[in-house]
Amino acid sequence: TQLLEQSPQFLSIQEGENLTVYCNSSSVFSSLQWYRQEPGEGPVLLVTVVTGGEVKKLKRLTFQFGDARKDSSLHITAAQPGDTGLYLCAGVQGKLIFGQGTELSVKP
Amino acid sequence: DTGVSQDPRHKITKRGQNVTFRCDPISEHNRLYWYRQTLGQGPEFLTYFQNEAQLEKSRLLSDRFSAERPKGSFSTLEIQRTEQGDSAMYLCASIAATSSYNSPLHFGNGTRLTVT
Repeated sequence: TQLLEQSPQFLSIQEGENLTVYCNSSSVFSSLQWYRQEPGEGPVLLVTVVTGGEVKKLKRLTFQFGDARKDSSLHITAAQPGDTGLYLCAGVQGKLIFGQGTELSVKP
Repeated sequence: DTGVSQDPRHKITKRGQNVTFRCDPISEHNRLYWYRQTLGQGPEFLTYFQNEAQLEKSRLLSDRFSAERPKGSFSTLEIQRTEQGDSAMYLCASIAATSSYNSPLHFGNGTRLTVT
């Protein structure tokens, strides 16, 4: 049983489109982190959300933490080919628990 | 480069052989994690150390797997009698134990194991 469910698992879009990735759980987390991973490399942190309802922006990326701190979303505006990669949400429960990831492909 | 270093980057072995991977964390980080990742999936927690003490092991870590961190610096992960199902990327990550929950885990680039 996956503690953190991400959807969709795969997403292939054209450059310039918008997209949203969801991360859902039945558990409450003290914080949630979003990582991005490129082939052959380890995950790299994008953002940490801590407070229920919190919204954080990183250029064209907008991250939101649910009010109950059980879910989060990542919205990308005007996606670019450089956004291609595996996006991972991770909940902090002592150690980091990862979702299964969303494989994003942005075609020029 | 003061990042997390893993060696080797790739390992191909035959079923039944033993393999050992090494991780060198960021020098001031006293907490070290091992994760396993299969293609297109998120990393799965295996075990972690604080200094030389192994504080938690996942039930995924069968008795064929053993991890050590003898001097609280580098760590090794050994898999005995490898099986094809062990084929995966093995990731190491480190963090200072005093870090806040906002702090990132710093990952190495992993060791990709292929068992033939």
